[in-house]
Formats: sequence, C-alpha cells, structure tokens
Amino acid sequence: GQNIDQPTEMTATEGAIVQINCTYQTSGFNGLFWYQQHAGEAPTFLSYNVLDGLEEKGRFSSFLSRSKGYSYLLLKELQMKDSASYLCAFMDSNYQLIWGAGTKLIIKP
Amino acid sequence: DARVTQTPRDKVTEMGQEVTMRCQPILGHNTVFWYRQTMMQGLELLAYFRNRAPLDDSGMPKDRFSAEMPDATLATLKIQPSEPRDSAVYFCASGLSQGTGGYTFGSGTRLTVV
Repeated sequence: GQNIDQPTEMTATEGAIVQINCTYQTSGFNGLFWYQQHAGEAPTFLSYNVLDGLEEKGRFSSFLSRSKGYSYLLLKELQMKDSASYLCAFMDSNYQLIWGAGTKLIIKP
Repeated sequence: DARVTQTPRDKVTEMGQEVTMRCQPILGHNTVFWYRQTMMQGLELLAYFRNRAPLDDSGMPKDRFSAEMPDATLATLKIQPSEPRDSAVYFCASGLSQGTGGYTFGSGTRLTVV
C-alpha cells in the first residue's frame, strides 16, 4: 500500500532552524514535493526531489533518501512569516500525488 | 507570473442547488487536478486529468459530482445537488505530467452550502 506521514505540529523560535520530517511508503516513486500553505491561502510549491541528497534554495533546503522512504524540509533563519502549514507529497508510479496531512509550524518571537 | 485562475472565489448556496466551479490552467500545462480541502481531511483528490482525459476520479462521489475538461483552457467541477457536507475549499492545480516544476494551485473556491 501507500502511505505518508509527517508531524501534526511543530513550534520553533524566530531566527532558529527547524527540520520537518516526512516518511512515506510506496512501491512506485517519481519524486517528493514540499509545499507551503498559509492559513486561508493556496499551497505554494517549495521543492521537488527525485534523487537522493540535499537541494538548497535560499533559506529552505529539502533532503531525500529513497532507500529509507524519508525526506525533510529544513528552514533556516526562521522568520515570523514562515508560520504556515508545510505539506509533503510523493508522486506515485501513475504520476499522481499522495499528500501528507501537513505540519503546522508555529514561530514564536 | 503565470497563474491558475479559479472562479468563483467564494460561493454560498442553499442545499439542493447546483454548483459549478471553473478553473483555467496555466497555458501549456497538460495535467489538471481538482482537490477538496477541509480542516478534518486535508487535501483530498477528486479528479485528475492528463491531456484532457480523466485518469482518476475515484475520490469523487459520482452520484452528485462531475468533472470535465471541455477544452485545454477550462476544467469544471460540478456538484448537483449540493449538500452541507460539501462545504470546503476546492482547489484546482495544473502542471506538466512529470511534475518536475511542481504543480501550481489556483486560489481556490470556498464553498458554503447552507
């Protein structure tokens, strides 16, 4: 079967670093996505990993280990505007997205 | 920036009425998804089109929901008759089939059925 899991909620401090983990199980894999969603808004694309390793994009980095079915999103130099939900999703063999329930990130001053 | 356009932005309707939501995908994108999002369920896939052909609508209650792509610039999601439990935000997203550039979401239609 297929499943994907991420923590429901995390809290971090402004200026700090936070890592949001995502684990998944699937027989067919065509990449892993991270999206950011602010309350009341649409999800916006952050990153896509299809090969193992770390992809860095400014303050945000995403890591993938296909053998472990594991990814994380790393947010550095946290800002208050980073308070949002972070959704991970993998693409299965039919190029369909399987979504996690999202991690609500709360940033405290 | 290219964007996915959804209309209407907000819709309040009475139970039993027909609701039609529209989506204009980004020009050149060949894959379109319709999702429903609620606090309880997160993002639920309702329908999925590639090159205008429906690939998966197993998540959609077929007795009342229908999704079509009459042409490459328009995708529609219809609910008839609507029920209070259909109240949610409905998102359309478009992209290329391999998804390497990510899928772009529209702003959503917030549907309230009273």
